[in-house]
Order: sequence, then C-alpha cells, then structure tokens
Amino acid sequence: ETGVTQSPTHLIKTRGQQVTLRCSSQSGHNTVSWYQQALGQGPQFIFQYYREEENGRGNFPPRFSGLQFPNYSSELNVNALELDDSALYLCASSSYSGDTQYFGPGTRLTVL
Amino acid sequence: DQQVKQNSPSLSVQEGRISILNCDYTNSMFDYFLWYKKYPAEGPTFLISISSIKDKNEDGRFTVFLNKSAKHLSLHIVPSQPGDSAVYFCAARVYDNDMRFGAGTRLTVKP
Repeated sequence: ETGVTQSPTHLIKTRGQQVTLRCSSQSGHNTVSWYQQALGQGPQFIFQYYREEENGRGNFPPRFSGLQFPNYSSELNVNALELDDSALYLCASSSYSGDTQYFGPGTRLTVL
Repeated sequence: DQQVKQNSPSLSVQEGRISILNCDYTNSMFDYFLWYKKYPAEGPTFLISISSIKDKNEDGRFTVFLNKSAKHLSLHIVPSQPGDSAVYFCAARVYDNDMRFGAGTRLTVKP
C-alpha cells in the first residue's frame, strides 16, 4: 500500500509568482485535504476535495485554489504569492470525508 | 481564532516515566478529537482518537482522556520511550472535513 506522496519537497518562489503543489493520495482514498503549517504553529485547514469536488474550505483567500483528478490525486495552486505564504504545505488523504486523515511529508515553500 | 490550544510548547520526561500532554479547546461543537505525532521532515502521523461521546480511549501505551465539561483533552504515554520524542499535535474536528490543530508540544524522552 503506497502512502501519501507530495512534490516537490522544497520550492523557492518570489513575491507575486504563482505555484502549484502536487499530492498523490494513499491507495483506496478518495478524499484529499490541504493544510498550511507556518513555523511554530499547527496545520491550518485550507480546503478538502472529495470525488473531484471541493468539500469545505477554511479561512483562506480565493488565490488559494485546488483541483482533484479522477485518480484522486490533487493540486494546490497559489496565485500572487505573498511573503506570509512561506510555510510547509501538507496534504492528507482519507477513505471518505469524515475518516482519519493520513498525511504526506509536505512541501516546504519559501517566498522571497 | 485559535480554538484548539496546547499551552506547553515543550515537555521533557525520563524514559520509563509517564508523559502527559494537554490540550484545551473552546468550541463545544467539536465531535471528534485526535492526536498526531510528527518527526522532523515527515508529515504528522495519526496516533489515537476519541469521539465526544466517550471519555477515554486506550491503545497500547497511549491513552487519551476527554473532559467535555472542562473542554480539556490529554494524552498519556506510559511508559515513555526515547522513540516517542517528537512533536505532538492535538486536533479537533468540526463537521467531517474541517480539522483544527493546536500549535504542538515537543516531547523529549531522555534515556
């Protein structure tokens, strides 16, 4: 059974640019959630995708958007990057919306 | 708004002793609580959970206690082992899709 994988591991961007982060869910999981973890804080819920539809969103602006594909992998897109977007971005998958979530290793994004 | 709080950023215990990690929450609508642990360069790993209809759940060396009236959650690890050294996050779920995390407590278990 393959766990949750994320790419890339690290990324450096400049303010104003756009970024796409990718996540492959664990085998058999159809739900993917994205979190932002700033330094010294716990993960903050960005949004969740269930069967290719957005299924809930946290307190993040519209420049944070996502997609889920038929194979249940997912992308997180962030437009007009700001310095405060620098964080670890975590993806978690689950077998359905209310089930236990299993996390990937994360993508470390640095915005200069 | 920080609805889940872990007020101790760090905790150090001796191997073999009990580790108690605490968590407070403010939202009475939370229906499910979880503990995750995180090693450096890895994502959080699910450890144990408890439904709001229970007050205790046990899994091997790990026990989670829930006091709904006090809006307080705790994780007991006994006996503590050096491999338990990690950051522990308390999380609470409101609805099926929105999980709120505390800031984490770094546990160090000394040999």
